[in-house]
Amino acid sequence: DARVTQTPRHKVTEMGQEVTMRCQPILGHNTVFWYRQTMMQGLELLAYFRNRAPLDDSGMPKDRFSAEMPDATLATLKIQPSEPRDSAVYFCASGSRLTQGPHNEQFFGPGTRLTVL
Amino acid sequence: TQLLEQSPQFLSIQEGENLTVYCNSSSVFSSLQWYRQEPGEGPVLLVTVVTGGEVKKLKRLTFQFGDARKDSSLHITAAQPGDTGLYLCTRSGGSNYKLTFGKGTLLTVNP
Repeated sequence: DARVTQTPRHKVTEMGQEVTMRCQPILGHNTVFWYRQTMMQGLELLAYFRNRAPLDDSGMPKDRFSAEMPDATLATLKIQPSEPRDSAVYFCASGSRLTQGPHNEQFFGPGTRLTVL
Repeated sequence: TQLLEQSPQFLSIQEGENLTVYCNSSSVFSSLQWYRQEPGEGPVLLVTVVTGGEVKKLKRLTFQFGDARKDSSLHITAAQPGDTGLYLCTRSGGSNYKLTFGKGTLLTVNP
């Protein structure tokens, strides 16, 4: 049963600390997305990659957030320094041309719940 | 920015009741998808609608795409506690694979 995995599931940290979230996309998927979900804003796209290349990170605060795909099996989202307003659930999703077709189905991981004190 | 408005924002009902939730936009969709997100999990795709006026059924769930392809509804018959979750609609961005989500309807079905 192929699934997107994310680690850690929960993270509590103090303001100013670096946070790294990891995602393993479904094997064979070539697009990876990072989303942030809050009650106020809902689900917001932060960045996405195709074939490991960043295509759009316009939704991501550039001064403190960075997203990378060091290889096809790992995507990372880093926040440095973290702030209380970064508290949210961060989701990774993956897809491929075969699964998405023209309608872009995405497969979501279980999320990382981040709390910045 | 093409916004998706979902209503109601919250809905709490008793098991066995019927309900309808809505997704509206001022823009025409090329296609629209409904996802369900259960507590502590990521969203999971329920259905994709493409043609104006299209109706799709998934067991007790009925999805309708408006004739003008600007709105959609999800009707659940005889709701069960397992239907509890956040129902999200999203429009496809076409070839760039981007999805734009509404804020969702949080449904609670009480036993």
